Amino acid sequence: GDSVTQTEGLVTVTEGLPVKLNCTYQTTYLTIAFFWYVQYLNEAPQVLLKSSTDNKRTEHQGFHATLHKSSSSFHLQKSSAQLSDSALYYCAPLTSGGNYKPTFGKGTSLVVHP
Amino acid sequence: ETAVFQTPNYHVTQVGNEVSFNCKQTLGHDTMYWYKQDSKKLLKIMFSYNNKQLIVNETVPRRFSPQSSDKAHLNLRIKSVEPEDSAVYLCASSRLGPSAETLYFGSGTRLTVL
Repeated sequence: GDSVTQTEGLVTVTEGLPVKLNCTYQTTYLTIAFFWYVQYLNEAPQVLLKSSTDNKRTEHQGFHATLHKSSSSFHLQKSSAQLSDSALYYCAPLTSGGNYKPTFGKGTSLVVHP
Repeated sequence: ETAVFQTPNYHVTQVGNEVSFNCKQTLGHDTMYWYKQDSKKLLKIMFSYNNKQLIVNETVPRRFSPQSSDKAHLNLRIKSVEPEDSAVYLCASSRLGPSAETLYFGSGTRLTVL
């Protein structure tokens, strides 16, 4: 069956240092796109990055990710973490499995400390 | 700017009671979803509707029933709540199509079952 694997649990990083959150996906269907959603404390999840173009780097709010369809990966990176980046991050691949069913990884809690 | 509205924000009830949650989107999208976010922050899709038609119905207990009067509204009824139903219920909407469609979430309804 389909499965989403992302860096699990808690990731802590010092402000100003780089951070990387991994995401890979196994599916028998065609991968249409990958998303990263971010959920700040007491807020709704919102899209951070999305890509449907293979091997193209996508950037937003200082974060970047490159979709690799051959390996079904879309790792999220930032060169210099900020305190305001502390949040819950979800990887969400979108496939064409008959019904468009956005599925989320288990979430990675990022804590950036001074 | 909020475009997916959920009511109520919080609901506390006792085991066996019936509850209903409402969701409305003003984005003109034709697809709406219900997700459950549990205490471990896992986001699991429950249902999705496209133009009032049910297109995704995950394995959820039969006491859960979605209701859609038009493509802008999607409600969720739980007939006889159980303690494991305590969670945040997130409504979302998107366009439906072959390209990468972003989900837009409401702020959620936090259900506590005593």
